[in-house]
Order: sequence, then C-alpha cells, then structure tokens
Amino acid sequence: AQSVTQLDSQVPVFEEAPVELRCNYSSSVSVYLFWYVQYPNQGLQLLLKYLSGSTLVKGINGFEAEFNKSQTSFHLRKPSVHISDTAEYFCAVSEPQGAQKLVFGQGTRLTINP
Amino acid sequence: DGGITQSPKYLFRKEGQNVTLSCEQNLNHDAMYWYRQDPGQGLRLIYYSQIVNDFQKGDIAEGYSVSREKKESFPLTVTSAQKNPTAFYLCASSTRTDEQFFGPGTRLTVL
Repeated sequence: AQSVTQLDSQVPVFEEAPVELRCNYSSSVSVYLFWYVQYPNQGLQLLLKYLSGSTLVKGINGFEAEFNKSQTSFHLRKPSVHISDTAEYFCAVSEPQGAQKLVFGQGTRLTINP
Repeated sequence: DGGITQSPKYLFRKEGQNVTLSCEQNLNHDAMYWYRQDPGQGLRLIYYSQIVNDFQKGDIAEGYSVSREKKESFPLTVTSAQKNPTAFYLCASSTRTDEQFFGPGTRLTVL
C-alpha cells in the first residue's frame, strides 16, 4: 500500500525568504506525485505534478519540486515567498495504472510573516 | 466555465438524519471521487467511480452511500450510520490518466 509523510505540520517563514516543504512517500510500484494548495474553506488547487520525464517540475506561483526516486521524496520549494502563499499544502501520490486514487499526506500549514 | 460545483456550501444535520451532498462536473471526466477532510488528517477517500453506474468503496466508506446515474453527477449520502459525520467534504473528478480537479467543498455539521 502507498503512504505519504509530510514531515512538518507547520512551517513559519518570513516574507521573501526561501521555503522547502518536505514530502516522502512509500510505494512498491512507480508513482505519480502531486502537490496541491488549499486556502481556508476552499477546495484544493494543483500546484504541480510529476508523471514522468524530468525530475525537476515547475508549477504555478513560482513553486517547483524535485522527484528523487532513491530517497522516495518529492520536496516542494519556492525561492522567495509572499504573504499570499499562506495556506495548507498537501502532497499526494497515485499509481499510474488503475483507478487514479490519490493518497494524501497530512498537510503542511505554511505561514508567512511580514 | 468548466469546473466542479458542490452544494450546499454549509449543511447542518440533526442526529439520526440522512443528508445528501451534491457534486456536479462539466469537464467531461469519467472518474469522480469523494474525500473527507478532518483537521490534521489530510484527505481520506470515501468512494470513487470510474464510469457511470459503477463505483467502489474507498478507505472510509462505512456510513456513506453514493450513486452514479449520470456522468456529470456523483451525489454522496451521509447516513445516520456514520457516527462522526462533522467534516469538510470534497468532491473531485479526473480523466483516467491525469490530475484530479476539486470542487469548493461542503462543510457538514451535526447539531
């Protein structure tokens, strides 16, 4: 069975500082990987995804993530954050074959301080 | 505009009542999903459907039921058998091979 671990439940950073949100997964097969963002009382919006190919994936709002198969990680990074990045971030994994069910991590709450 | 709509945004239920949450999509997606979100626990899969007239249980299906009579619609019923239904419910849809798109959610509170 697949599982996802987001290593930090909360990450506070100052505005314009860099940030990294960590995500590790476990799976016995190849995977698709996703990062979603959720603003308060809203649904989830896709930031970026890794399906195949280049291990460095660029997404919306200046975010990027790197797939590391040997370390089973998919950490999310942004070089300079803004107040508007304050939100909850979810890492998720699914199998390429089958029903495309997503398994989510528990989420990381990113708080940007001025 | 293409997207997923969920209604109502807020729903209150008395103990012992069944309630139905609506989810509609106009993205022409085959697959649809229901997730439950509780604070600090991420999202957990309740039910999913890959095609009309077919659906499967997810990880926490007990106390819930669904139907998929039309491609665009995937309503979720929270029955009185669900012991702790207060949560934020999210519906999603996807093609067979790509990302899931999420609706805005329904917050259910049991009074």
